[in-house]
Amino acid sequence: DAGVTQSPTHLIKTRGQQVTLRCSPKSGHDTVSWYQQALGQGPQFIFQYYEEEERQRGNFPDRFSGHQFPNYSSELNVNALLLGDSALYLCASSLGWGQGTKPLHFGNGTRLTVT
Amino acid sequence: QKEVEQNSGPLSVPEGAIASLNCTYSDRGSQSFFWYRQYSGKSPELIMFIYSNGDKEDGRFTAQLNKASQYVSLLIRDSQPSDSATYLCAASESKIIFGSGTRLSIRP
Repeated sequence: DAGVTQSPTHLIKTRGQQVTLRCSPKSGHDTVSWYQQALGQGPQFIFQYYEEEERQRGNFPDRFSGHQFPNYSSELNVNALLLGDSALYLCASSLGWGQGTKPLHFGNGTRLTVT
Repeated sequence: QKEVEQNSGPLSVPEGAIASLNCTYSDRGSQSFFWYRQYSGKSPELIMFIYSNGDKEDGRFTAQLNKASQYVSLLIRDSQPSDSATYLCAASESKIIFGSGTRLSIRP
């Protein structure tokens, strides 16, 4: 039973560049959420996708955008990178949406460093 | 701003003792509550979830929920050195919001 997979594992980018992170949900899951976790902090909710639509969004600027594909996989795009975007980006999948919150299952994350 | 608050710790507990981790949340509409464990450099892993007032037990772990007080706790019985990690509390009405975590250290 494949868990949540994320790629790449690590990434180094320069300020102003753009980055795309990818995620495949756990087998059987159809909802994908993205979180940003800075060192020493809890995960901060970016957004959630279900049926290829953004359903919920946290307090992140429009530089952060995403997409969900018909096979439920997802991408997180960040434009015009800032030093403060350096963090661990976590993808989490769950089953269903709008019928009570199901537990999230996390991938191993992508460590993004912006220099 | 809907928030989940945790004491950052570190909480130091002797091996074999009970570790008690606490969490409060601000959104009275929250319906679902979760505890995750996160080892250093790793991603969070689900320990327990609870939806109803009262206690829920799973092995050495017990989650407690008091919606009137907006309070969630996690008890770890017979603490082991492998329990040393950061424990994240999360609450959800629609999206899952995490606290900043409590660092737990089990001393031999």
